[in-house]
Amino acid sequence: EDKVVQSPLSLVVHEGDTVTLNCSYEVTNFRSLLWYKQEKKAPTFLFMLTSSGIEKKSGRLSSILDKKELFSILNITATQTGDSAVYLCAVEARSGGSNYKLTFGKGTLLTVNP
Amino acid sequence: GAVVSQHPSRVICKSGTSVKIECRSLDFQATTMFWYRQFPKQSLMLMATSNEGSKATYEQGVEKDKFLINHASLTLSTLTVTSAHPEDSSFYICSAGGGLYGQYFGPGTRLTVT
Repeated sequence: EDKVVQSPLSLVVHEGDTVTLNCSYEVTNFRSLLWYKQEKKAPTFLFMLTSSGIEKKSGRLSSILDKKELFSILNITATQTGDSAVYLCAVEARSGGSNYKLTFGKGTLLTVNP
Repeated sequence: GAVVSQHPSRVICKSGTSVKIECRSLDFQATTMFWYRQFPKQSLMLMATSNEGSKATYEQGVEKDKFLINHASLTLSTLTVTSAHPEDSSFYICSAGGGLYGQYFGPGTRLTVT
């Protein structure tokens, strides 16, 4: 059974701090790892990572994947209160035939205090 | 970017009735759509993979006779919760797409069964 583990489960920081969120996985037929941000509604896409060692960056957020060690990290620098959300890590893997499916971790609840 | 819509966004129904939730891909065709369920403070759990023109693939532990999925066109999948019970109250989210661009999530449907 595919497994995705995120840590920490929750984190409280002050505005301006830098945070690192972790995601480790055990899946067969790995295709990609994705990070999502979820506030009150459905998740919004942040990054998709398929290749090891290549950093993806978008503003203050960045992420990197290590396919050998089976983990990824999501960094947020100079955090703002608007970054408060649940950050979900998901791994996309083949589920049979030509289908792929996502397995989600439990998420990291990030709270950024002013 | 790709847009996925869901309708209704909220629904309250009485125990024993059935509820239909629609998921539409608005600007692309989706041969595969996914249905997730999310309980409060928990992660997204894949319920089933909906394939256009064929039967849905259900995850272990999900009753296919209770959660009926129909994917009749390339832009529409429906999830019908039959004979709903209070324990079916949850946030139901669909997604579509995949491959190089990840999955695009609908805004979700909050179901409350009284």
